[in-house]
Amino acid sequence: EADIYQTPRYLVIGTGKKITLECSQTMGHDKMYWYQQDPGMELHLIHYSYGVNSTEKGDLSSESTVSRIRTEHFPLTLESARPSHTSQYLCASSTRDSTDTQYFGPGTRLTVL
Amino acid sequence: RKEVEQDPGPFNVPEGATVAFNCTYSNSASQSFFWYRQDCRKEPKLLMSVYSSGNEDGRFTAQLNRASQYISLLIRDSKLSDSATYLCVVDTGRRALTFGSGTRLQVQP
Repeated sequence: EADIYQTPRYLVIGTGKKITLECSQTMGHDKMYWYQQDPGMELHLIHYSYGVNSTEKGDLSSESTVSRIRTEHFPLTLESARPSHTSQYLCASSTRDSTDTQYFGPGTRLTVL
Repeated sequence: RKEVEQDPGPFNVPEGATVAFNCTYSNSASQSFFWYRQDCRKEPKLLMSVYSSGNEDGRFTAQLNRASQYISLLIRDSKLSDSATYLCVVDTGRRALTFGSGTRLQVQP
């Protein structure tokens, strides 16, 4: 089992609220990722990081921001949530070796009313 | 054209059946290949890596055909618990692995 954690697991909030989704891993992985996935749909990469102080935008444009101050921690923030942000957010991490196997957290299911 | 393409299914098969999924990828320089499994409303989990010579893990067999740029997954003696979405995943040399949109399998009693 992968040691990667996400909190909260479920979040229901009103429009305009600021939220932070937490992601942490205890495997010492350098690379971390955030994906967005709607029910029954494919994964979309929204942010990634190669290590501390490294963050990049992914393939899907997102109004969220991320930070990587510590290796084990990769939080995602939405400054002002909107109903269009309703989705599942999955965090993942991987080692720097050639296999690049990704391990996923359990996800945060966000609903914005 | 998508970098990784899969038939979305669903594949509806009876218990005990053998079922195969294919996946094609567009980047000939891709080096690493995987199959992930995703249960409904859960996170993807690594099922198996795919090696050039093909590899087997119990009832699951993965094959790679570099010349035709496709990957396959064979499941023998299907169980009800095999019902899930199977994601074909390729390292295309970009910043993260590229995930296919998945093939849904429903094993019926």
